[in-house]
Amino acid sequence: TQLLEQSPQFLSIQEGENLTVYCNSSSVFSSLQWYRQEPGEGPVLLVTVVTGGEVKKLKRLTFQFGDARKDSSLHITAAQPGDTGLYLCAGVARGSTLGRLYFGRGTQLTVWP
Amino acid sequence: DVKVTQSSRYLVKRTGEKVFLECVQDMDHENMFWYRQDPGLGLRLIYFSYDVKMKEKGDIPEGYSVSREKKERFSLILESASTNQTSMYLCASSSILAGDSYEQYFGPGTRLTVT
Repeated sequence: TQLLEQSPQFLSIQEGENLTVYCNSSSVFSSLQWYRQEPGEGPVLLVTVVTGGEVKKLKRLTFQFGDARKDSSLHITAAQPGDTGLYLCAGVARGSTLGRLYFGRGTQLTVWP
Repeated sequence: DVKVTQSSRYLVKRTGEKVFLECVQDMDHENMFWYRQDPGLGLRLIYFSYDVKMKEKGDIPEGYSVSREKKERFSLILESASTNQTSMYLCASSSILAGDSYEQYFGPGTRLTVT
């Protein structure tokens, strides 16, 4: 059973376009993280959101945590080829004390020049 | 910077061999994790450890075991490798002092092929 559902699974766009990736669950999370993974490498943390309704910006990337802390979104403005990669959302279940993360299956983003 | 290193980037083993994958972190993190990553299936947790000699099963522990004798080192063992264990293996660590965040820091991965 996948605790976090990510969509879309694949996204192929032209440079300059905007896009949104979604991460949804029926469970409540204490926090939610977004990672980016490039081929042949491990995932690298982009951002952590902790408070319901929280919005964080990282240059052209905007991350939002849902009010009920069950979902999150990643919006990229004016995508560039350097944004290409696998984007993963991951959450800490509410009440967890061991720090286990539950990962979505990822969104493979390709940005063409 | 946190550094997580894995013993091999690429490994080729034969069916039935015992395989050891080593992971070392240099940030004194309490938690360490082993995942496997397969196309379309995302990251699946095999085992994790929250302290020396302590371990918890993840979602797919069958066919694997782990060892954590020192805080900085977490080993994944394939007792008798099978072709369906061909995969990318990722190690990660995190601190319990991160509050509710538990951000994980990953190694570069080991691409294991079992023939």
